[in-house]
Amino acid sequence: GAVVSQHPSRVICKSGTSVKIECRSLDFQATTMFWYRQFPKKSLMLMATSNEGSKATYEQGVEKDKFLINHASLTLSTLTVTSAHPEDSSFYICSALARGRGSYFGPGTRLTVT
Amino acid sequence: GENVEQHPSTLSVQEGDSAVIKCTYSDSASNYFPWYKQELGKGPQLIIDIRSNVGEKKDQRIAVTLNKTAKHFSLHITETQPEDSAVYFCAASPNAGGTSYGKLTFGQGTILTVHP
Repeated sequence: GAVVSQHPSRVICKSGTSVKIECRSLDFQATTMFWYRQFPKKSLMLMATSNEGSKATYEQGVEKDKFLINHASLTLSTLTVTSAHPEDSSFYICSALARGRGSYFGPGTRLTVT
Repeated sequence: GENVEQHPSTLSVQEGDSAVIKCTYSDSASNYFPWYKQELGKGPQLIIDIRSNVGEKKDQRIAVTLNKTAKHFSLHITETQPEDSAVYFCAASPNAGGTSYGKLTFGQGTILTVHP
């Protein structure tokens, strides 16, 4: 149990466009999901906490208007990178909190902005 | 906020040897400590975790120890195999409840290489 999926796994977009990444908990409900960003050979940096039915909580330094998060159901959270620029290229990973069992991560989405 | 330090950054062992990775944390409110294994291009995979009411936990070749007084915890892998090669991350999280529940602070990661 505790499987988390992400879609797409890889995406290439042009500078100025927006990209939506989906995170789904497949076999459990998650009232809380987290979005992380990971640079090559670096650790995971928490971007925001996504709570079902309420606004996301962003970490210091993360632009909420640029990284839009929506957690519309107990199994789905989405991250939309708006007006993407090359510096937004990164590996984006979500995790879903399974109460009493811990956080389970998705496989990640590789975003490349050209 | 929480700060997690992880050492070593790289670790190279021979197949069959043991590997130990250590982490320290700063926030005494943390009481959940998971370890993740991340292979190249993939998301982190939870391999073992420990809560602050337990000093040691073991799952086959993997064990984790926790010293809450000293604020450090360690991952022990015995009888290492080449497929154990990956990046390992420790993390710390505060107690259940509250707005920080489930919020993980990660260590810097350890690149483990197991040579056949």
